[in-house]
Amino acid sequence: GAVVSQHPSRVICKSGTSVKIECRSLDFQATTMFWYRQFPKQSLMLMATSNEGSKATYEQGVEKDKFLINHASLTLSTLTVTSAHPEDSSFYICSAREDRVGSYNSPLHFGNGTRLTVT
Amino acid sequence: AQSVTQLGSHVSVSEGALVLLRCNYSSSVPPYLFWYVQYPNQGLQLLLKYTSAATLVKGINGFEAEFKKSETSFHLTKPSAHMSDAAEYFCAVSRPSGGYQKVTFGTGTKLQVIP
Repeated sequence: GAVVSQHPSRVICKSGTSVKIECRSLDFQATTMFWYRQFPKQSLMLMATSNEGSKATYEQGVEKDKFLINHASLTLSTLTVTSAHPEDSSFYICSAREDRVGSYNSPLHFGNGTRLTVT
Repeated sequence: AQSVTQLGSHVSVSEGALVLLRCNYSSSVPPYLFWYVQYPNQGLQLLLKYTSAATLVKGINGFEAEFKKSETSFHLTKPSAHMSDAAEYFCAVSRPSGGYQKVTFGTGTKLQVIP
């Protein structure tokens, strides 16, 4: 089955530093990837849609200068949390949909998430 | 706008008992609906999906869900709960947005299985 690899699984950083999270589709190509944020005991909130070769589309209320997204290839998207603060501590999850005919409504494949703690 | 509502943030069942997790949707067009499961500190795994084919959808791990248009529901069931079913379950709806499908998740239901 389709596998999405997300790295790192856990990261602790100091306030003011930047953290990069990688999301890779291992056995399929994904023109579009999605980044979610999940607060404790809450659902997933879509932050942005990452498009290969073009700018990401951010959801309302998400600071694009703080959460930098780069989708450099059909198998890799990165999320960089810049100048991180304690309130950025959260669980970040990426997902991807396989590029193939008829995949318009196919389910998303999720990474295992990254637990970010900013001290 | 399309959305899903999950009734009950926590559900407890005894091992071997029926599992019923409720999900209602609102949609102006025929929806594409999904159930995902999340284990602690992990991503989401697809349980099953409805894409306008059969109304009774069978998924992995013995789960199934029935699409009922008249009730705008897509409840998740399993005849006999297993300890390994303890997890959080999310109902989701997919809708077109800007040339691609955007997935919106419900607030989740945490399933506890009592031995």
